[in-house]
Amino acid sequence: GAVVSQHPSWVICKSGTSVKIECRSLDFQATTMFWYRQFPKQSLMLMATSNEGSKATYEQGVEKDKFLINHASLTLSTLTVTSAHPEDSSFYICSARALAGARDTQYFGPGTRLTVL
Amino acid sequence: QKEVEQNSGPLSVPEGAIASLNCTYSDRGSQSFFWYRQYSGKSPELIMFIYSNGDKEDGRFTAQLNKASQYVSLLIRDSQPSDSATYLCAVNNQGGKLIFGQGTELSVKP
Repeated sequence: GAVVSQHPSWVICKSGTSVKIECRSLDFQATTMFWYRQFPKQSLMLMATSNEGSKATYEQGVEKDKFLINHASLTLSTLTVTSAHPEDSSFYICSARALAGARDTQYFGPGTRLTVL
Repeated sequence: QKEVEQNSGPLSVPEGAIASLNCTYSDRGSQSFFWYRQYSGKSPELIMFIYSNGDKEDGRFTAQLNKASQYVSLLIRDSQPSDSATYLCAVNNQGGKLIFGQGTELSVKP
């Protein structure tokens, strides 16, 4: 099956610092990746759609200047949380879109747990 | 009306029983349907996808799709305690975004 990795799996940082999270598709190419955030006991919330070679598309209410997304290759997308604050503490999950003929499937990475002190 | 609706549960079934999880969706043009399993503190894991009306079986899991009724379900046979998780129904819209239901929490009691 398709494998998606994320790094780091968890990170603790001080308020005001920036944190970069990497999402990689290991055995397939993904022109599109998605970034989600999930707070405890809540549903997944789509933050943005990351397209290889072009600007990301952000969902309503998500600050594009705070959550910087770069999709520099067909296997790597990065999310940078800039000037992180405690309210940014959450579980960040990426997914990669796999297209095979008529199949259009998303596979999720293991997630990154961010704690901002 | 939400785009994808699921009963939040919790749904409790005894070990060995059949667990039945249901999902309805509002966009009649939807073509692709998915079931993800999410354990507490973990990311979602794809367990089934279905594109055509009818049943699709994979091991203990059976997905059922009825496009006329805009209904998709997941049956888990011989439920095990390890199946206890939140099950997310998702529908693929145009552009590849997944629209998720709120998830159904399943608890399988030994």
